[in-house]
Amino acid sequence: RKEVEQDPGPFNVPEGATVAFNCTYSNSASQSFFWYRQDCRKEPKLLMSVYSSGNEDGRFTAQLNRASQYISLLIRDSKLSDSATYLCVVNKRWGAGSYQLTFGKGTKLSVIP
Amino acid sequence: GAGVSQSPSNKVTEKGKDVELRCDPISGHTALYWYRQSLGQGLEFLIYFQGNSAPDKSGLPSDRFSAERTGGSVSTLTIQRTQQEDSAVYLCASSREQGLGQPQHFGDGTRLSIL
Repeated sequence: RKEVEQDPGPFNVPEGATVAFNCTYSNSASQSFFWYRQDCRKEPKLLMSVYSSGNEDGRFTAQLNRASQYISLLIRDSKLSDSATYLCVVNKRWGAGSYQLTFGKGTKLSVIP
Repeated sequence: GAGVSQSPSNKVTEKGKDVELRCDPISGHTALYWYRQSLGQGLEFLIYFQGNSAPDKSGLPSDRFSAERTGGSVSTLTIQRTQQEDSAVYLCASSREQGLGQPQHFGDGTRLSIL
């Protein structure tokens, strides 16, 4: 099982739709989680951190389920500008004082007019 | 500058040549990371530096790859005797510290093409 798995998509949704992505991780020692977005031929940019209690930032809601080892991202009222690849990122302790960031391969979202 | 700065933005070179890529992290960020992303693929971790500590080189794909970070700031990634499979975008990221809750901020990347 891969360390971080995501459905590659693409998810093609109309403007205004609600879309959700899931991401599963294999290492139960994982301790912090993020969603990044990456536009075509651009660098990844932090979208939001994912907290245990769940968190919301405008139209975006992130959830963490430690028992099932998955993270989700919900986008409400999709905009054309939301079209991008969404990367699930898991940070875990690795060795004494070391941490490792593992990126999923991303889920591609296309919002259609 | 305000963000992570990488240079050059594009590099085209012949197979067998050595290349050097540069990363200037955000001021005050002690942790620095190098990643590689091939076309249509996910990010591949290469190496990280935390301050002046010995780097974690576990992600380097071969001994042709090396990196250094002088004075805990600027880093260079060197690829010797380049091969065509080295063609990719090389991304550098920095964070305030190498802590679990610290997000990473990426530079624009260096697009490396090996002919």
